[in-house]
Amino acid sequence: ETGVTQTPRHLVMGMTNKKSLKCEQHLGHNAMYWYKQSAKKPLELMFVYSLEERVENNSVPSRFSPECPNSSHLFLHLHTLQPEDSALYLCASSQKGTSGANVLTFGAGSRLTVL
Amino acid sequence: AQSVAQPEDQVNVAEGNPLTVKCTYSVSGNPYLFWYVQYPNRGLQFLLKYITGDNLVKGSYGFEAEFNKSQTSFHLKKPSALVSDSALYFCAVRDALLGGSYIPTFGRGTSLIVHP
Repeated sequence: ETGVTQTPRHLVMGMTNKKSLKCEQHLGHNAMYWYKQSAKKPLELMFVYSLEERVENNSVPSRFSPECPNSSHLFLHLHTLQPEDSALYLCASSQKGTSGANVLTFGAGSRLTVL
Repeated sequence: AQSVAQPEDQVNVAEGNPLTVKCTYSVSGNPYLFWYVQYPNRGLQFLLKYITGDNLVKGSYGFEAEFNKSQTSFHLKKPSALVSDSALYFCAVRDALLGGSYIPTFGRGTSLIVHP
């Protein structure tokens, strides 16, 4: 248990469905992140929230919609996804800071399959 | 932008033998480098980081990494591999400043397989 919990762990959805991924951190961190992990590719940063304000969306398609209602919770709302969106979606948190030594704590991920 | 490269998709080593997982970096300025490990069905876990100081950095689970400025490398090492070390290893470098925090850029990952 890392202190970052993601649900559901597995999700299968059709291209016309709407679903959400949830992330909760119990570490008192004030920055949260969504990453996409696909096989043989570098981790792709999707969204960054710092003090609950979104600061980066990194050119992610609008079918992915993040929400950060408070510093402990992060959601990724999904709608009309494509099969190529199938991947492991990782949530992470960290303490905000400019030292450059910030360490991210990751959840176990949500494995998404789009049919 | 800063970047890291992990030249090997997979590394195979026998249990008890030393292991090395390679990483090279490209940065402007001083590099801040990290290693993370991902065990099956888990998220990434922090292993160690280099900020400044000694070129040999010690981390969790008996791992260490050697910073080499002339070769722009930050290879992960362990003197004696265990089967339980089998996992996916990611090198990362401090990159853009966003929202008051430096965001790491990760490599593609290297799969380490330790054979009994």
